[in-house]
Amino acid sequence: DAMVIQNPRYQVTQFGKPVTLSCSQTLNHNVMYWYQQKSSQAPKLLFHYYDKDFNNEADTPDNFQSRRPNTSFCFLDIRSPGLGDAAMYLCATSQGQVRGYTFGSGTRLTVV
Amino acid sequence: GQQVMQIPQYQHVQEGEDFTTYCNSSTTLSNIQWYKQRPGGHPVFLIQLVKSGEVKKQKRLTFQFGEAKKNSSLHITATQTTDVGTYFCVWGSGNTGKLIFGQGTTLQVKP
Repeated sequence: DAMVIQNPRYQVTQFGKPVTLSCSQTLNHNVMYWYQQKSSQAPKLLFHYYDKDFNNEADTPDNFQSRRPNTSFCFLDIRSPGLGDAAMYLCATSQGQVRGYTFGSGTRLTVV
Repeated sequence: GQQVMQIPQYQHVQEGEDFTTYCNSSTTLSNIQWYKQRPGGHPVFLIQLVKSGEVKKQKRLTFQFGEAKKNSSLHITATQTTDVGTYFCVWGSGNTGKLIFGQGTTLQVKP
């Protein structure tokens, strides 16, 4: 089945130690998104790629970066995780038009 | 920026009772989407509404888009324990369909 896969499902990292979260898709969608969701809150968009074009949200901290080496894969890099970065990170894809997104299962990040 | 306000934040119902969540915007929305997120899970797309006054049904779920395209609602008839989760109304903005989430309504169903 076509889907969005996020690895790992759970990630524990040390304060200040760089960490990378990965997302892959078999839907061949041209847009990929990264959302951060903290407990009892709505998902918050960090950035998205429209094909190879990177679009950063104005309030996304510089600590967060992303790479999209090809259509299928997208990575979220957190350069120096702080305790406040502990959250669920959701990857989503769409075909670029306004229609339903497909979300991955998410990676729950713990910072110790 | 564009905001989508959703109420109530929480709702506890007895199994079999009905449930409604409401979504409002101060400006006209081009579309509204609804997602469900189970506890510990990820958002799952339910439906998209684009037409003024549109009503769509999925089994026990009824979705409405207001005539002025500034509000929307999701109504669940005769709730079941499987309906537990957080329901988000979401606006898809721009050419890339960037999603603007409402705050969500968390539904608890007592068996």
